[in-house]
Amino acid sequence: KAGVTQTPRYLIKTRGQQVTLSCSPISGHRSVSWYQQTPGQGLQFLFEYFSETQRNKGNFPGRFSGRQFSNSRSEMNVSTLELGDSALYLCASSLAFFPRDSYTGELFFGEGSRLTVL
Amino acid sequence: KNEVEQSPQNLTAQEGEFITINCSYSVGISALHWLQQHPGGGIVSLFMLSSGKKKHGRLIATINIQEKHSSLHITASHPRDSAVYICAVRRGGGGGADGLTFGKGTHLIIQP
Repeated sequence: KAGVTQTPRYLIKTRGQQVTLSCSPISGHRSVSWYQQTPGQGLQFLFEYFSETQRNKGNFPGRFSGRQFSNSRSEMNVSTLELGDSALYLCASSLAFFPRDSYTGELFFGEGSRLTVL
Repeated sequence: KNEVEQSPQNLTAQEGEFITINCSYSVGISALHWLQQHPGGGIVSLFMLSSGKKKHGRLIATINIQEKHSSLHITASHPRDSAVYICAVRRGGGGGADGLTFGKGTHLIIQP
C-alpha cells in the first residue's frame, strides 16, 4: 500500500510569508503527527492529531498551526515566516493514538517537506 | 540536561563489528522508538518498545524500564547500516499521552 505522502517536497519562501504543508497518511491510519528537524535542534515534536482533533502540541509559537480532515489527511501552516523556520518538516502516521503494541503504534514517516526561508 | 541522551554521538566501525548504541531518558515513558535516518532525510521506524527485547534480522533492541535505559545492537554490521540512529520516547503511562521527545542521534559509519 502507498506510504505517507508529503507535499510539496521542496519550497522556498521569504520572511513574512506563510506556508501550508500537506500530509496524506497510510490508508487506514487515523493518527498523524508533525515534526520539525533542524541541524541545531534535531527533531522536535510539533503536533499530533487523531480523529480530526489535536491531541498534543509541542513547544512552538502560535504561528505554527495544523488541522486534520475527516479522511485523516493533515495540513500544517506556518504564518509570518522567520529565517529560523527553515527546516525539514516531517509527518508520520500510525494506526492508533493510544497504541496497545508496536502494530498499532509503529510510526511511518513521509519523506518530508524541506522549507527554506530567505 | 536533555530528557533523552544518546551515546555515542558518532561511531565509526569496521564491517562485521558488533555495534551498540545507548539511550538514557529521565522521564516516565509509555513507549520508546528507535528510528533510522539515511542521508537525504527519510526516517524509518526500527522498533517500538515498552518492555523487554525485540529482534529483527541483525538488529536487536532492549529496554530496562527501571534503569530508564535502552540499547540498540547491530550484529555483523555492514556499510549499508551507515545512518543516523535516533531514540525517541513517548512520555506518560497511559499510552499516547504526549508527543515524542527525541535524542540528538548517533551518526554511525561502517567502513568496508
